[in-house]
Amino acid sequence: KQEVTQIPAALSVPEGENLVLNCSFTDSAIYNLQWFRQDPGKGLTSLLLIQSSQREQTSGRLNASLDKSSGRSTLYIAASQPGDSATYLCAVMGSYIPTFGRGTSLIVHP
Amino acid sequence: NAGVTQTPKFRVLKTGQSMTLLCAQDMNHEYMYWYRQDPGMGLRLIHYSVGEGTTAKGEVPDGYNVSRLKKQNFLLGLESAAPSQTSVYFCASSRTVAGGPLETQYFGPGTRLLVL
Repeated sequence: KQEVTQIPAALSVPEGENLVLNCSFTDSAIYNLQWFRQDPGKGLTSLLLIQSSQREQTSGRLNASLDKSSGRSTLYIAASQPGDSATYLCAVMGSYIPTFGRGTSLIVHP
Repeated sequence: NAGVTQTPKFRVLKTGQSMTLLCAQDMNHEYMYWYRQDPGMGLRLIHYSVGEGTTAKGEVPDGYNVSRLKKQNFLLGLESAAPSQTSVYFCASSRTVAGGPLETQYFGPGTRLLVL
């Protein structure tokens, strides 16, 4: 059974810092990995999708990497802003079944 | 283009009552999912569908039933609600490139269900 772990569970940083959020998974037979953002009381918004054949994806200040062989992905947030405060979740897709991590709760304070 | 919508947004049930949650998407996606999200447990897959008329069990299917009579709709039913089903329910949809992996999942805003 696929298990997805996200470290750290919570993070509080001052504005302007560069951040790394970690996601690890136990079964490397995946189709893709997706990073989401969830604001309190809201649904999930997709940030980046990395196919299994890719090594990284970038969108603005966000960069996600994937190392299938080691079962790891990182989400790098450059120059963090208070508006980045949210919970970040990673999801690993194997066949039709996605498995989610429990998320990293991020607070960026001014 | 509304994306993924969920009805209702919030509901209170008494133990033993039944209800149906409706998910609708207007993106012509083949795949649809129902999740529940509980504090400290993350998102867990209840049921999913890979196309009209097909459904399959996810990680936590007990106590729920689903139907996908139309491609754009995915219904989640609770026949006899229990307090353990108090949760936030999310629906999602995605498409697949022919023979390839699934593309981005799009989520609805969620339904908050309280079972007393």
